[in-house]
Amino acid sequence: QKEVEQDPGPLSVPEGAIVSLNCTYSNSAFQYFMWYRQYSRKGPELLMYTYSSGNKEDGRFTAQVDKSSKYISLFIRDSQPSDSATYLCAMSGGAQKLVFGQGTRLTINP
Amino acid sequence: NAGVTQTPKFRILKIGQSMTLQCTQDMNHNYMYWYRQDPGMGLKLIYYSVGAGITDKGEVPNGYNVSRSTTEDFPLRLELAAPSQTSVYFCASRAGQFPYEQYFGPGTRLTVT
Repeated sequence: QKEVEQDPGPLSVPEGAIVSLNCTYSNSAFQYFMWYRQYSRKGPELLMYTYSSGNKEDGRFTAQVDKSSKYISLFIRDSQPSDSATYLCAMSGGAQKLVFGQGTRLTINP
Repeated sequence: NAGVTQTPKFRILKIGQSMTLQCTQDMNHNYMYWYRQDPGMGLKLIYYSVGAGITDKGEVPNGYNVSRSTTEDFPLRLELAAPSQTSVYFCASRAGQFPYEQYFGPGTRLTVT
């Protein structure tokens, strides 16, 4: 079983839709959770991070962590074509290494 | 600041050849990482370093070597290239404090034929 599972998609939605991206994990020691966005042929960039359980909101983006279920989510409201990218979840139990999900390829259609 | 820079951007190698992928960061970060990303896959850690002179293996180290003689540079060496090493290679660095954000370079696309 992989430490982090993420549906690779692809996911295609119309502009303005609410998008939900999810990851599950098996290592209960994970306590730092991140979402990276990767545009085509570019390096990943940090989108959001959370520590422990709960929600965190940043503009149109909300990151949610449920440690009891070992489940994290990223919600995108009022999705835009510029949100089209691959979204990678990443998590860590300590400071040194991140474990990445497979990435979900998202396309927002105008 | 340039951030994390990688050279070359693209390279085609023949089976059995060797090469070094260069990575430099100008943020004075102690932590540096090398990942590979295969099509439709996430990032797999090859090697990482927590400071000059200190390196450690990641998830997929076979066929690769690294060194870290300075804070800024973290080259990745491929010896005896194999088709299985065809991938996109990303270098990343981060500072020592929370939120432990890793800053990525633009990547090197490597094809081994």
